[in-house]
Amino acid sequence: DAGITQSPRHKVTETGTPVTLRCHQTENHRYMYWYRQDPGHGLRLIHYSYGVKDTDKGEVSDGYSVSRSKTEDFLLTLESATSSQTSVYFCAISVADTQYFGPGTRLTVL
Amino acid sequence: DQQVKQNSPSLSVQEGRISILNCDYTNSMFDYFLWYKKYPAEGPTFLISISSIKDKNEDGRFTVFLNKSAKHLSLHIVPSQPGDSAVYFCAASGNFGNEKLTFGTGTRLTIIP
Repeated sequence: DAGITQSPRHKVTETGTPVTLRCHQTENHRYMYWYRQDPGHGLRLIHYSYGVKDTDKGEVSDGYSVSRSKTEDFLLTLESATSSQTSVYFCAISVADTQYFGPGTRLTVL
Repeated sequence: DQQVKQNSPSLSVQEGRISILNCDYTNSMFDYFLWYKKYPAEGPTFLISISSIKDKNEDGRFTVFLNKSAKHLSLHIVPSQPGDSAVYFCAASGNFGNEKLTFGTGTRLTIIP
């Protein structure tokens, strides 16, 4: 158990509304990641963080922003949700060169 | 451009037999490879990894083989058990696990009792 929690676990929202997903870790691991999983694509990196206030873009960052004001929390924000952002979102941390994943958030944008 | 490919979307194997899952990659800068197992409604679970300086890594029933010249890796599970039924993802990185991972599309393994 890597001590990662994600909230909410499920969310249904409407197009155009802002949405924030939270990832929380119980230990002070430096690296944190946000991925999305879609059929036919595996998992794709959205954004990642290598420390407080240090973040960088991943493969599919358009339409997403992140913030990390504390080591233990990594927030993913959809400023104006679109139907193409309906997906399952996973947070991960890196421990000893291996990434461990949280339980996921299923987001539906109507 | 799919840099990590799992060409078999699904695989069925008899319980007790060997399961072999394959993965190909195109980026020669990848030097660290991982396999994850995923059950429905759960996050991916790390199984086993291998760095490019090795050609084999073993952990219990799981063995990963790496053929750098062919840019190919495989995961062997022996003997296969019903609890192994899941989706398996291979992933690759350019700098161990701290770098971003590039995932394949997954292979759904079904173990037949």
